[in-house]
Formats: sequence, C-alpha cells, structure tokens
Amino acid sequence: GAVVSQHPSRVICKSGTSVKIECRSLDFQATTMFWYRQFPKQSLMLMATSNEGSKATYEQGVEKDKFLINHASLTLSTLTVTSAHPEDSSFYICSARDLLGNTIYFGEGSWLTVV
Amino acid sequence: AQKITQTQPGMFVQEKEAVTLDCTYDTSDPSYGLFWYKQPSSGEMIFLIYQGSYDQQNATEGRYSLNFQKARKSANLVISASQLGDSAMYFCAMRGRYSSASKIIFGSGTRLSIRP
Repeated sequence: GAVVSQHPSRVICKSGTSVKIECRSLDFQATTMFWYRQFPKQSLMLMATSNEGSKATYEQGVEKDKFLINHASLTLSTLTVTSAHPEDSSFYICSARDLLGNTIYFGEGSWLTVV
Repeated sequence: AQKITQTQPGMFVQEKEAVTLDCTYDTSDPSYGLFWYKQPSSGEMIFLIYQGSYDQQNATEGRYSLNFQKARKSANLVISASQLGDSAMYFCAMRGRYSSASKIIFGSGTRLSIRP
C-alpha cells in the first residue's frame, strides 16, 4: 500500500535555531499534504494544508512565518520550525491524500524537543 | 464549520468482547468522508476504516465495522472480538469535499484499554 515517510523521527534542537521536517509520499503522487501538531494526550490539530506548487493554507492561529511549509514536488513537503522555542516542542505529523481522496496516509511523525 | 465529537475519553474492555467507540459529527458539506484511525503509543496513525457519506452500506474491514447513521450524524466504530493489541488511542476524523477544502479534522480521541 501507499507509504508516507517522515524524517527525522526525533529531533532535539536548541532554542532559537530552525529545524526542518520532511514528509515524502513514497509510491504515489500527493498534490496535497497536511501538517498536524499533537500535544501529549491531545488530538491532532491541523496546522496547514500544503499544496504542490503554491502557497500553503494555514489554519487560524498558526503563524505562517514561524512554521514555513514548502511543497516543491508531488512527493515532498517540508515543515520548517523557525526560531524554535521550548513551547514548540510537540509531535508533528504529516499526511497525504491519494488521488481519489478516500484514504489519507500518515507519516510516522516527528518528535521535536526544543531545549 | 465542521466538528467531530468523541464523548468517551477512555474505555476499558475485556479481551474478546466487542466494543463500540462513539463518534458524532457536524458539517454543512453535502458530501463528506468519515475515517477512523488507531494511534498506538509509538505515535503512528494507522488507518482503520473509511465511510463515504453516500455509501449505501456500512463499511467493514476485518474486525472493524462502522455503524453509520447519517440522520443522527453518527459514525461509531465497532471492534469485534477485541485483542490486547487493540489497546491504543482511537480517533474519528472527517473530511468535507467542498466548503472545507478537503481538510481533515479529528475528534478528541478515545483511549481504549483491553483487559486480559
């Protein structure tokens, strides 16, 4: 079946630095990918919709200058957390929709810790 | 606006028993899709089952079935013959096709614990 790969699975970075998380669809093309954030014991909160070749659509309350999303190809979307702070520490997970849109495949998620 | 409600924060079930996880939703989209995902402690999201709003029959996938009651706007997940490995968080999710621009939103989740 389709697979979405996310990298890195775990990352620790210093406060003030930037960190990039990649989301790849391995065996299908994804014109749309989604980025979610999940705090411990909470649900997934949609941050933004990543559209190939165009600007991402951010959800209300999500700082677009802090969470940079680039969807440069049909198989790759990246999320860059800029000037990271400890409160940005969270589980970030991406998903991609297949062409029919009936199934959403998720990456393995990335645990970000900002120290 | 879309909304997914899961009213059971946690459930304990005896192994081999059937369990129903509740999910109600609200949407103004005439066409939409409903999903259930399982999230073990590792964090990965495992797709379980999908129900389209115009599907005539309730979806089934192995031990999973979706009790879709459109008029009541409910999409409960039924797990038959529960196993210890079913212990995890379960999320109900919905995707609209029009006004919501295909965004997928999630309910708050239900933590299912299977007792041996």
